[in-house]
Amino acid sequence: AQSVAQPEDQVNVAEGNPLTVKCTYSVSGNPYLFWYVQYPNRGLQFLLKYITGDNLVKGSYGFEAEFNKSQTSFHLKKPSALVSDSALYFCAVRDLSGGSYIPTFGRGTSLIVHP
Amino acid sequence: DTGVSQDPRHKITKRGQNVTFRCDPISEHNRLYWYRQTLGQGPEFLTYFQNEAQLEKSRLLSDRFSAERPKGSFSTLEIQRTEQGDSAMYLCASSLLAGGVGDEQYFGPGTRLTVT
Repeated sequence: AQSVAQPEDQVNVAEGNPLTVKCTYSVSGNPYLFWYVQYPNRGLQFLLKYITGDNLVKGSYGFEAEFNKSQTSFHLKKPSALVSDSALYFCAVRDLSGGSYIPTFGRGTSLIVHP
Repeated sequence: DTGVSQDPRHKITKRGQNVTFRCDPISEHNRLYWYRQTLGQGPEFLTYFQNEAQLEKSRLLSDRFSAERPKGSFSTLEIQRTEQGDSAMYLCASSLLAGGVGDEQYFGPGTRLTVT
């Protein structure tokens, strides 16, 4: 079975400050991890993914995520937050073993960046 | 616009009626996914297709739900005898799977269903 947890329903950060949105996962095999963002009245947009290689993954809009196998985490980060980053962020995981292509999404974290 | 499109964007129906939603994926994508999203939750997987083949349908919420992708292009999701609990946002996504990797999904704007 696979699962993903986003422990924070909401993250508040001041513009210009670094931000972190947390995600932990559980899979039987090797994880394939994603971050998506959902702006109001818009569909989910792909931000970045991790499958193998460098533990620090860079994605769209200046976001990056750090894969930590020992902590089973894949936290989303950005060095300097913008007000326009305010949105709903979803972490997703797919187990690479077993041949399933079904991802499991977290409940989402609302990021609010204050001017 | 070459993104994923869904139609209609909003649907209000009375309990017991049937509804059908359409999804047009990105043209070169071979995979198409349907999800349901309720308030405060992430997308919940329902079913997916690779080309015209439906590879997983056990997660469809009940036998009132069915999906098709007849020619490997657009897809439809039908809910028969709708219930108030079916009220939700229904999302479609497509992806290009090549060599077992890739598969980041591109989502449509969703169809919001309200059952009265």
